[in-house]
Amino acid sequence: RKEVEQDPGPFNVPEGATVAFNCTYSNSASQSFFWYRQDCRKEPKLLMSVYSSGNEDGRFTAQLNRASQYISLLIRDSKLSDSATYLCVVKRGGGADGLTFGKGTHLIIQP
Amino acid sequence: NAGVTQTPKFRVLKTGQSMTLLCAQDMNHEYMYWYRQDPGMGLRLIHYSVGEGTTAKGEVPDGYNVSRLKKQNFLLGLESAAPSQTSVYFCASSPVSSNQPQHFGDGTRLSIL
Repeated sequence: RKEVEQDPGPFNVPEGATVAFNCTYSNSASQSFFWYRQDCRKEPKLLMSVYSSGNEDGRFTAQLNRASQYISLLIRDSKLSDSATYLCVVKRGGGADGLTFGKGTHLIIQP
Repeated sequence: NAGVTQTPKFRVLKTGQSMTLLCAQDMNHEYMYWYRQDPGMGLRLIHYSVGEGTTAKGEVPDGYNVSRLKKQNFLLGLESAAPSQTSVYFCASSPVSSNQPQHFGDGTRLSIL
């Protein structure tokens, strides 16, 4: 099993719709979780951290399920500007090298 | 508000040439990283540093060397460039705290002919 797995997509979603995608991780000792957004030919940028109780930032909601070892990202009322690749990132411990990036889920919002 | 700055942005090299990529951060972060990103492969860690004067190997260190002589700078060197090193290189930095995210530079596109 890969350390961090994501469905590569692409997810083609009409503007205004709600879209959700998951990410699974293999190391049960993982401690920190993040969603990054990466636009084409640009650097990854932090979208949001994922907390154990779940958290929301505007139209974006992140959930963590430690028992099943997955995190999810929900985007409501999707905008054309949400089109990007979303990277799931898992940190397994306190060391500097413990960050593992998923390969990303490609999202296309269609007008 | 510069954050993480990488130079150069683009470079074309011939096989066997050497070069150095520079990463500079102004956030006083202890940790710095070099990644490469290839199509279908995601981000892979090349080398990282937990502080001035220290470096360590990541997932794909072969063919690269690094140095962290100053806290704010992290240099990535290609000793003898090979076509397999054609990639987009990202530098990142983060504070020491384990639950803090990494901040990325805007990348260096490197082509080896």
